[in-house]
Amino acid sequence: GAGVSQSPSNKVTEKGKDVELRCDPISGHTALYWYRQSLGQGLEFLIYFQGNSAPDKSGLPSDRFSAERTGGSVSTLTIQRTQQEDSAVYLCASSLVEGRETQYFGPGTRLLVL
Amino acid sequence: GENVEQHPSTLSVQEGDSAVIKCTYSDSASNYFPWYKQELGKRPQLIIDIRSNVGEKKDQRIAVTLNKTAKHFSLHITETQPEDSAVYFCAAPKRGSYIPTFGRGTSLIVHP
Repeated sequence: GAGVSQSPSNKVTEKGKDVELRCDPISGHTALYWYRQSLGQGLEFLIYFQGNSAPDKSGLPSDRFSAERTGGSVSTLTIQRTQQEDSAVYLCASSLVEGRETQYFGPGTRLLVL
Repeated sequence: GENVEQHPSTLSVQEGDSAVIKCTYSDSASNYFPWYKQELGKRPQLIIDIRSNVGEKKDQRIAVTLNKTAKHFSLHITETQPEDSAVYFCAAPKRGSYIPTFGRGTSLIVHP
């Protein structure tokens, strides 16, 4: 079956512009996570959605970052007024239920802020 | 502070040797411990996981051991091959939640 997909695969933007990153989780997966991975670094948790519960936004680095998940499926991560330090790979993952199950990762969106 | 610590950050071995990567966690209520492998330029993928009701799990050349008392778990790779070269991440639930917190990763290099 289809895995987690993300779009775009690459995004180059100018400092100060807004960007939207999209994640399509595996059908039926109720849990969805966003992570940020800087070059050669680990996985930095950003935000977590579980079913219809309020999202856990505790990992968002600033108020320029926001995310939503519509209809319990597709999620969009929005970064407003991008800065150069936002350059990274943004990974989305989904799992059947919450974090006690395998996470399936998307291919990521590589964001470059000039 | 960080509740999952992973060591070493880099590990270089000769083909055929064994490799061991260790993670410690802080929340004694944690009960699910996965290991992910990330090859260069690719997405992380689960290679093995263990739940707190067992102490060891094996899958061919890889195994994971869990010591609940000491709050650490380890990944063991035997008879390493060049294709095992990758970054390996452990994870444990964030304190008080089910959100996995990842270790900083171990870059494993297997020399032919």
